[in-house]
Amino acid sequence: KQEVTQIPAALSVPEGENLVLNCSFTDSAIYNLQWFRQDPGKGLTSLLLIQSSQREQTSGRLNASLDKSSGRSTLYIAASQPGDSATYLCAVDTGTASKLTFGTGTRLQVTL
Amino acid sequence: GAVVSQHPSWVICKSGTSVKIECRSLDFQATTMFWYRQFPKQSLMLMATSNEGSKATYEQGVEKDKFLINHASLTLSTLTVTSAHPEDSSFYICSASVPPDEQFFGPGTRLTVL
Repeated sequence: KQEVTQIPAALSVPEGENLVLNCSFTDSAIYNLQWFRQDPGKGLTSLLLIQSSQREQTSGRLNASLDKSSGRSTLYIAASQPGDSATYLCAVDTGTASKLTFGTGTRLQVTL
Repeated sequence: GAVVSQHPSWVICKSGTSVKIECRSLDFQATTMFWYRQFPKQSLMLMATSNEGSKATYEQGVEKDKFLINHASLTLSTLTVTSAHPEDSSFYICSASVPPDEQFFGPGTRLTVL
């Protein structure tokens, strides 16, 4: 059974700092991995999707990497802003009917 | 990106009543939709996979007679929580699969059962 873990569970940084969120998964046979953002009481916003054959994806200040063999992914946020404050979730698709297994999330707070 | 809507955004009901939640894909057709449940400060847990025109596939531990799923068209899936009880209070989120493999999520429905 696939298990997805995210470290740290919570993170507080001052505005302007670069930061890294970590995601690890137990079964390396994945189809793809997605990073999402969730604001309190809201749904999920897809940030980046990395196919199993890819090493990284970039969108603006966000960069996600994938090391399938070691079961790890990182989300790098450059020049953090207070608007980045949210919970960040990673999810892996094992290719079985496109089911996603979600990580435990990292709650990020960017302070002024 | 693709847009998924949910209705209602929140609902409060009495114990024993049934509640229906709608999930719509607004600008695309979705042959597959997913229903998730999220308890406070926890991650999303997949409840069931809904395929248009066929019976839903439920995850282990999810009661199919309690959580009725209907996917009658390529743009609409509904989740009905039957005889709701306080322990069913949760945040319910649907997603729609966009080929080949990306999922887009609805804004969620907050259910509170008194």
